[in-house]
Amino acid sequence: GENVEQHPSTLSVQEGDSAVIKCTYSDSASNYFPWYKQELGKGPQLIIDIRSNVGEKKDQRIAVTLNKTAKHFSLHITETQPEDSAVYFCAASKEDSGYSTLTFGKGTMLLVSP
Amino acid sequence: DTAVSQTPKYLVTQMGNDKSIKCEQNLGHDTMYWYKQDSKKFLKIMFSYNNKELIINETVPNRFSPKSPDKAHLNLHINSLELGDSAVYFCASTSNAGGLETQYFGPGTRLLVL
Repeated sequence: GENVEQHPSTLSVQEGDSAVIKCTYSDSASNYFPWYKQELGKGPQLIIDIRSNVGEKKDQRIAVTLNKTAKHFSLHITETQPEDSAVYFCAASKEDSGYSTLTFGKGTMLLVSP
Repeated sequence: DTAVSQTPKYLVTQMGNDKSIKCEQNLGHDTMYWYKQDSKKFLKIMFSYNNKELIINETVPNRFSPKSPDKAHLNLHINSLELGDSAVYFCASTSNAGGLETQYFGPGTRLLVL
């Protein structure tokens, strides 16, 4: 089955700095890579996703890159703000017999200090 | 206006008891999931239902029995609760089981088994 590794497990940055979270996946057939943000006491919420036919996607301060050859993808957050503090999960998915499941990384706790 | 709702939010119970968690989505989605998040924040899929039919069961003990009375509801019944069942349980839904679309998560049910 799919295995997703995520690094680092914790990341502390100063407000205004950039933050980068990296993930690798094992199944070359995976073709959908979402990123979820989980705030304290809440459920995960999708912040950005990328499909295997695209190498990069950007949404305001958030960007995701995908390297299919190396089987890794990364989340980049620029100009971090205290409200970016949360746990971030990467995930990988592929369609299998008409259904798909998300395999999550173990999460990165991002702390942005004012 | 809550998209995916779960009840109860907190559940404290004794070992050996039987308990249920309810989930409802008002997004008109066909596919619903149950995830377990352990104390280390690791998110793992337990079950997936598409149009009231079970499509994924990730080697979950048969003490856990999901039930989908209609495609907007997916409840989770747990028999003979064990200490290791303590976790946060998340319900999620998506519009297309195989379409690799966004999964929308509920707020979670925090289960503590004493």
